[in-house]
Amino acid sequence: GNSVTQMEGPVTLSEEAFLTINCTYTATGYPSLFWYVQYPGEGLQLLLKATKADDKGSNKGFEATYRKETTSFHLEKGSVQVSDSAVYFCALSEQRAQKLVFGQGTRLTINP
Amino acid sequence: GAVVSQHPSRVICKSGTSVKIECRSLDFQATTMFWYRQFPKQSLMLMATSNEGSKATYEQGVEKDKFLINHASLTLSTLTVTSAHPEDSSFYICSASIPKGNSPLHFGNGTRLTVT
Repeated sequence: GNSVTQMEGPVTLSEEAFLTINCTYTATGYPSLFWYVQYPGEGLQLLLKATKADDKGSNKGFEATYRKETTSFHLEKGSVQVSDSAVYFCALSEQRAQKLVFGQGTRLTINP
Repeated sequence: GAVVSQHPSRVICKSGTSVKIECRSLDFQATTMFWYRQFPKQSLMLMATSNEGSKATYEQGVEKDKFLINHASLTLSTLTVTSAHPEDSSFYICSASIPKGNSPLHFGNGTRLTVT
């Protein structure tokens, strides 16, 4: 079956540091890939997505590239801010299925 | 702004009682909604797919009689936790997709259920 594996957290960085959160996936078809963010006490918000190989999703300074050859979708940001502190989820969905399979989430804390 | 509204945001109930959680799509009709459960510091697990006008599709291991799902209209799905027990305490989140092209899922803000 489909699955998503994220790097284990928690991750703690200083403000303006470079961020990478690794995500790899296993899928039988050609899934769409997503990063969702969950701020404390809230639901999930879509951060970015990519629907086919070599696509790059980007939003709010975050980027992730759909790498079919390595089945990865790593999340990066060049300079993190305190307000980026949240839990980040990598997820996939089969085309047109809309059901999401989530990774375990990575808690990110940014210290000033 | 929010496109999916979930209510209540928090609820505390006693063991043995039932709790209803509502999920509404705002300004669009959702023929399909999804219900997820999130345990503390863990990922979201899909519980069921709610289909308007028909029975919900439950994931393996989810008790249908325990978690009743009703999708009576195109803008409302409800999840009822029946005869709740402390182990049902969790964060429940619904999601829906605007039925247009390749629209992503939008999530409600979740419901924190505590069963005492």
